[in-house]
Amino acid sequence: EPEVTQTPSHQVTQMGQEVILRCVPISNHLYFYWYRQILGQKVEFLVSFYNNEISEKSEIFDDQFSVERPDGSNFTLKIRSTKLEDSAMYFCASKFQGSYNEQFFGPGTRLTVL
Amino acid sequence: AQTVTQSQPEMSVQEAETVTLSCTYDTSENNYYLFWYKQPPSRQMILVIRQEAYKQQNATENRFSVNFQKAAKSFSLKISDSQLGDTAMYFCAFMNLDFGNEKLTFGTGTRLTIIP
Repeated sequence: EPEVTQTPSHQVTQMGQEVILRCVPISNHLYFYWYRQILGQKVEFLVSFYNNEISEKSEIFDDQFSVERPDGSNFTLKIRSTKLEDSAMYFCASKFQGSYNEQFFGPGTRLTVL
Repeated sequence: AQTVTQSQPEMSVQEAETVTLSCTYDTSENNYYLFWYKQPPSRQMILVIRQEAYKQQNATENRFSVNFQKAAKSFSLKISDSQLGDTAMYFCAFMNLDFGNEKLTFGTGTRLTIIP
């Protein structure tokens, strides 16, 4: 069964460093999402992406964040200068099309900023 | 903006019993979907059940069913014959029907423990 994959599973970085979180959505999906879950808190929407551009972004998704679909298969989230408060689980999700289609989530990347 | 509230941070129930998790939401929209996601210790988010707001009939998926009260903006999840594998965090989520751009708004979750 097709699934969303994410790498790495755990990323440790120093404050101020850039990180890139990678996702491979399900191959025929058209809509892509990033969500964040700070430990012990709820899952929060970061950004949605369709047709090679951002559809919507939350107030969390500031200028330090960017997304890209560089090669038609990967979907990346870049944090330019990480802060301690960026430590969280980051989930990628993808959806085929149509409102009735569910978002399939990847297993997440745990980001730890020291 | 939509909000989703789960008022039960933790619940526990004996194996084989039935448990109901509560969820309320607030929206001014009329067309939307509601979801329950399960997050086991592996942290993977797994869709449990989905309800379309325009449908009056409550959704069911095997041992999982919902009680959707649109006027009250309530969306509870009932798990029948609970199993040890049901132990997980359960998140209620709302999605507005903004074609193609639908984002999920999650509640704070309920940690469910099934006791052997």
